[in-house]
Amino acid sequence: TQLLEQSPQFLSIQEGENLTVYCNSSSVFSSLQWYRQEPGEGPVLLVTVVTGGEVKKLKRLTFQFGDARKDSSLHITAAQPGDTGLYLCAALRANFGNEKLTFGTGTRLTIIP
Amino acid sequence: DSGVTQTPKHLITATGQRVTLRCSPRSGDLSVYWYQQSLDQGLQFLIQYYNGEERAKGNILERFSAQQFPDLHSELNLSSLELGDSALYFCASSLGQGMPGGYTFGSGTRLTVV
Repeated sequence: TQLLEQSPQFLSIQEGENLTVYCNSSSVFSSLQWYRQEPGEGPVLLVTVVTGGEVKKLKRLTFQFGDARKDSSLHITAAQPGDTGLYLCAALRANFGNEKLTFGTGTRLTIIP
Repeated sequence: DSGVTQTPKHLITATGQRVTLRCSPRSGDLSVYWYQQSLDQGLQFLIQYYNGEERAKGNILERFSAQQFPDLHSELNLSSLELGDSALYFCASSLGQGMPGGYTFGSGTRLTVV
């Protein structure tokens, strides 16, 4: 059983469309991060959300942390080919002593020009 | 360039062999993390070191071991290699042990066992 389930697993849309991907869990997290990974490269941190209900914007990307700090979403407006990549959410459990960062299953996004 | 350097970038070796993957963390970072990424398992945590000491362990096989040296670089040793060990191996670093600043990942080492 995965700690962090992401959906959809694959998403292919036309340039200019909007999309939302989700990261869900039954566990509560003290914070959650989103990374993007391009082929041949390591994941790159996009954002960290800490407070339940928090919304952060990064240009056309909007990240939201659920009120209960169990889930998060990433919304992309007017998607561009440069948004193509593997989107990963990652978290440490709240009040959990292990220092490891656990990654979700990932959403592989393809933007078609 | 993320500041985390991994070598080699590609490695092809035969079953039963032993390899060493090397990682230099971003300047100033004290924590090093090793992850394995395969198509069917996603990004799996292997082990973490902080300032030379092991701090957390994931599902790391007994055939695998790692260490962090006084200059903070780290090595991941994989022995008695099997076909299933073929994967991307990433090293990441962070300033401390928490995650507020996130992890900085290297470009990975692609290991192919034949």
